[in-house]
Formats: sequence, C-alpha cells, structure tokens
Amino acid sequence: EDQVTQSPEALRLQEGESSSLNCSYTVSGLRGLFWYRQDPGKGPEFLFTLYSAGEEKEKERLKATLTKKESFLHITAPKPEDSATYLCAVQAWNAGNNRKLIWGLGTSLAVNP
Amino acid sequence: GAVVSQHPSRVICKSGTSVKIECRSLDFQATTMFWYRQFPKQSLMLMATSNEGSKATYEQGVEKDKFLINHASLTLSTLTVTSAHPEDSSFYICSARDPPRTSGRSYEQYFGPGTRLTVT
Repeated sequence: EDQVTQSPEALRLQEGESSSLNCSYTVSGLRGLFWYRQDPGKGPEFLFTLYSAGEEKEKERLKATLTKKESFLHITAPKPEDSATYLCAVQAWNAGNNRKLIWGLGTSLAVNP
Repeated sequence: GAVVSQHPSRVICKSGTSVKIECRSLDFQATTMFWYRQFPKQSLMLMATSNEGSKATYEQGVEKDKFLINHASLTLSTLTVTSAHPEDSSFYICSARDPPRTSGRSYEQYFGPGTRLTVT
C-alpha cells in the first residue's frame, strides 16, 4: 500500500538552530514528491517538487533532497517566521488519471526567537 | 507561482441550509481541481476530484449527494454542502492542478486559502 510518513510529528527549534524534517515513502512508482508549508487557518503553500533520487532544490533557508526511500527538508538558520506545519505528499504512477496525492500527516515546526 | 482563490473565507450557517464554496484558478486553466477537508491538527483528506465538463470522482465514504461539485469552466469549481449539519463544520480547501511544463512530469497542485464552515 502506498504510504507517506513524516517525522518528527513536532519540532521546536531555537532561532538559528538548523535541523531537518523527514518524509519517508513507499510507493510502487514515484511520479513526484511535493513539499508544502501550511500556516494555521490557511491553505498549503507550494514549496518544492522533486522527481528523482539525487535531486535537490533550494529556496531561501529551505533545501529539499530526495533519495529512493525518503526526502529531507533542511532548514538552515531558521527564523520565527519559518514556524508552520510542513506537509509532504507523493504522487504515484499507479494513481490513475486523476493522479491524486498521498499525504503525510505533517511536521509542526516552532522556531523560538 | 499559480494563484488559487476561494470564497468565502468564512461562513456560518444554520443546520439544514446549504452553502456554496467557490474555487477559482486566477492565472491558469485547471482541467482538474480537488476538494479537501481538514480537521484540526490533522492532515488533508481528499473528498473529491473535479474534472472540467464531467462528473466529479468522490473518495470512498464521501456522500456525493451531500457534497455537490460542479466544474463548469476551466477556472471555476464549486462545492455545495447541502442540508448542512454541525458535523459538517470543518475547514474546506480546494486545489487546482497546473499542467506540467515538461512531458512526463507530475502536476503541481496549488491550494486556495481555505473556507472555514461553521454549522450551528
């Protein structure tokens, strides 16, 4: 069964304290892995798409990497405004024409000043 | 990036009434839109997939007669919660899929800001 697991469930960092969030997945064929950021009471904001193992993408203090089994979202020198829930989702080749996403439960990140 | 709007952002209605939520892709055409429901501190739950010009595909356990979806144009999909009850109170989010620019790539989904529905 296709599955996405995110860890940790919650993470509290001090401002400037770098860390990584994990998204492990088991799918029959990966078509794409997506990272989103969600603030309370708002819709998810698209961050990155990764397609193949070894691929990396960066945006400001965030860097996403992908292996054949998992993806990491590295946060370098985080600031309080990086506090949010980070969601990971994958799209599998066998998802049919609608290609729906399989979602993880998210990591709730809190960055203290 | 692509922009998706959703209206209204908040709605309070009485039990037994119907509520319509609109989802629009503002700067791209979306042949497919998705409707999600999210409970507090939980991840997104896909309710249905809406394809322009055809009937929506509902996920298992979602009542299609209660959650009516219409995708009449390439930029607009609507979700109508019929005969709403307090248990329908939730955060409803739509997303629209931006076609891939490279053949074989996945479709990126862009989300609206969500609609908070409260049924009293």
